[in-house]
Amino acid sequence: GDSVTQMEGPVTLSEEAFLTINCTYTATGYPSLFWYVQYPGEGLQLLLKATKADDKGSNKGFEATYRKETTSFHLEKGSVQVSDSAVYFCAPQRNQGGKLIFGQGTELSVKP
Amino acid sequence: EPEVTQTPSHQVTQMGQEVILRCVPISNHLYFYWYRQILGQKVEFLVSFYNNEISEKSEIFDDQFSVERPDGSNFTLKIRSTKLEDSAMYFCASSDGSAKRTEAFFGQGTRLTVV
Repeated sequence: GDSVTQMEGPVTLSEEAFLTINCTYTATGYPSLFWYVQYPGEGLQLLLKATKADDKGSNKGFEATYRKETTSFHLEKGSVQVSDSAVYFCAPQRNQGGKLIFGQGTELSVKP
Repeated sequence: EPEVTQTPSHQVTQMGQEVILRCVPISNHLYFYWYRQILGQKVEFLVSFYNNEISEKSEIFDDQFSVERPDGSNFTLKIRSTKLEDSAMYFCASSDGSAKRTEAFFGQGTRLTVV
C-alpha cells in the first residue's frame, strides 16, 4: 500500500539555520503531495502542496519540489525562526478527494 | 477565511460509553474525513465520506465506529462502546475535491480521553 517515510526527529536548529526535512513516498500513479504543520496544541494546517512532477510548492519561506524520479518531496527553508518550531507531516494523496497518507511527523525545535 | 469547526474540544468518557464527536465542515466542500492521532504517534486515516456515503475506510474503522451527516451541515463520528485505546485526538477534515484545490482543511481536533 501507499506509505511515507520522513526523516526522524527531533531536529534541533539554531535560528537562521538552513532546514531540510526529507520525505520519500511510495504510491501508485501520480499523487498530489502535501506538507502539513502542527503547532503545539493545535490542529493540522496546510503548509504547501504540489500536484504534479517538478512542481515546486512554497509558502512562508518553505519550499518543496515534487521529484517523481526519486519519489521525494523534501521540505526546505533557508533561514528558520523560533516560530517555526512545530511538527511537520509529509502526506501524499493518491486521487482527488482521496485520503491523505501521513508520515510519522518530524518535530522541529528552533532555538534563539 | 472559512474553517472546519469541531466540538467539543475535549471529551472525557467512561469505557463502554458511546461518544459522538461533531464537526462542521466548510460549507461548499464535498468530501469529509475523520483522522485520529494517538498521543505522540502519526496521524491515521479513519474514514472518508462523499455523496452521503462512506467512500473509503481503514482497518481501524470497525463496527464500533459510524459516521453520519444528519442535516447537511454537521458531520459526526460515533464510537458505540469506547475502549481505552480509543483515547486520541480526533480530527475532522473537508475538501472540495477539485483538481485545483484538492487539499484537505482540518479542524482543531477533539481530544477524547477514555477512562
